[in-house]
Amino acid sequence: DIQMTQSPSSLSASVGDRVTITCQASQDISNYLNWYQQKPGKAPKLLIYDASNLETGVPSRFSGSGSGTDFTFTISSLQPEDIATYYCQQYDNLPHFGGGTKVEIK
Amino acid sequence: EVQLVESGGGLVQPGGSLRLSCAASGFTVSSNYMSWVRQAPGKGLEWVSVIYSGGSTYYADSVKGRFTISRDNSKNTLYLQMNSLRAEDTAVYYCARARGEQQLAFDYWGQGTLVTVSS
Repeated sequence: DIQMTQSPSSLSASVGDRVTITCQASQDISNYLNWYQQKPGKAPKLLIYDASNLETGVPSRFSGSGSGTDFTFTISSLQPEDIATYYCQQYDNLPHFGGGTKVEIK
Repeated sequence: EVQLVESGGGLVQPGGSLRLSCAASGFTVSSNYMSWVRQAPGKGLEWVSVIYSGGSTYYADSVKGRFTISRDNSKNTLYLQMNSLRAEDTAVYYCARARGEQQLAFDYWGQGTLVTVSS
């Protein structure tokens, strides 16, 4: 099984800060990597697919990059409504989610 | 408008069975890759199962041999039959649609249904 190591597990940042989350795969997964946002009590929402493609309707302050084993998710300017837990998910083989990153406002 | 509505969750004793349903509208279930994803209380997301448009099915090791994913094309509904349930199967279960064939990015999700396995 391909394992996904996501870090950090939590972070605290100020409104307007640049926020970066990383996800590392245990083997090469090409660009088969997606990013989701989940707010408490809600279903996850797809933000980025295939490592760097912004899902329709998602604000442009969200972005993704990487290929192979190392991937990065960035919020260019943190907004209050971005408070959530973010997950990476690979699908090179069967789907597998990273452990999640809880983002809070400082 | 695409919608997914899960039902069938509830309280069940260890060793018992439950069938979850996911009624879809706005698209055709049989033409898409469909998955179940679960989330234990206070924990992260765990992929459970997928059914491809061609009918192939796959499972996470944690549920293989106990859970069965299926669909009813006439009802445009996805199912998850869960047998031999364990306490560790307690979770909110979401059904989700994949964005495209061979592109397992889940672009639409249901609201989730809670399964509690306890005596």
